[in-house]
Amino acid sequence: LAKTTQPISMDSYEGQEVNITCSHNNIATNDYITWYQQFPSQGPRFIIQGYKTKVTNEVASLFIPADRKSSTLSLPRVSLSDTAVYYCLVGELYGGSQGNLIFGKGTKLSVKP
Amino acid sequence: DAMVIQNPRYQVTQFGKPVTLSCSQTLNHNVMYWYQQKSSQAPKLLFHYYDKDFNNEADTPDNFQSRRPNTSFCFLDIRSPGLGDAAMYLCATSRPGRVYQETQYFGPGTRLLVL
Repeated sequence: LAKTTQPISMDSYEGQEVNITCSHNNIATNDYITWYQQFPSQGPRFIIQGYKTKVTNEVASLFIPADRKSSTLSLPRVSLSDTAVYYCLVGELYGGSQGNLIFGKGTKLSVKP
Repeated sequence: DAMVIQNPRYQVTQFGKPVTLSCSQTLNHNVMYWYQQKSSQAPKLLFHYYDKDFNNEADTPDNFQSRRPNTSFCFLDIRSPGLGDAAMYLCATSRPGRVYQETQYFGPGTRLLVL
């Protein structure tokens, strides 16, 4: 059973900021939130990870509200090459347990010129 | 560059004929995963190794087996491939962290076609 819910698809135009929200109502105390990007015929690629508040790196920002029941991936000024499927994963520290390595359905982002 | 390598990139097999997919890594990561991804679907975890400890997902069919002879290599064996096993098979690695959930590094995948 997937622990996350995302929009199936989103459309945007080059240069716009894109925000993709993921719902994870049953997130556990030890769970972290991770986002991956996948292009056709390639393996997923790590984008960003966070636990709470805001995380920013060179490609994206991740906003997590205080209740942690959702998170928003923000892609600034997208280009055509950002067209891909974006997956939100919620899982705990490995710590010897199996963890919850379940991909949700993902959001297919289409960027148009 | 350190990476996850999968060979071959494309594999064609016949219905019922055993097939082995290979994965190697130069990252020296403890954990190696195998995922199955069918067209327009999310990757589905089949099993993973934490060092030599094998962890099978409850719904992974017995037809799928795995071997990890050393840290660097991991194999996916499909004993009797059916038409429904045609998919992209993804290998990933990670190194459990003490603070953050580990990042998974994925290989390019092997696309399996069953005739």
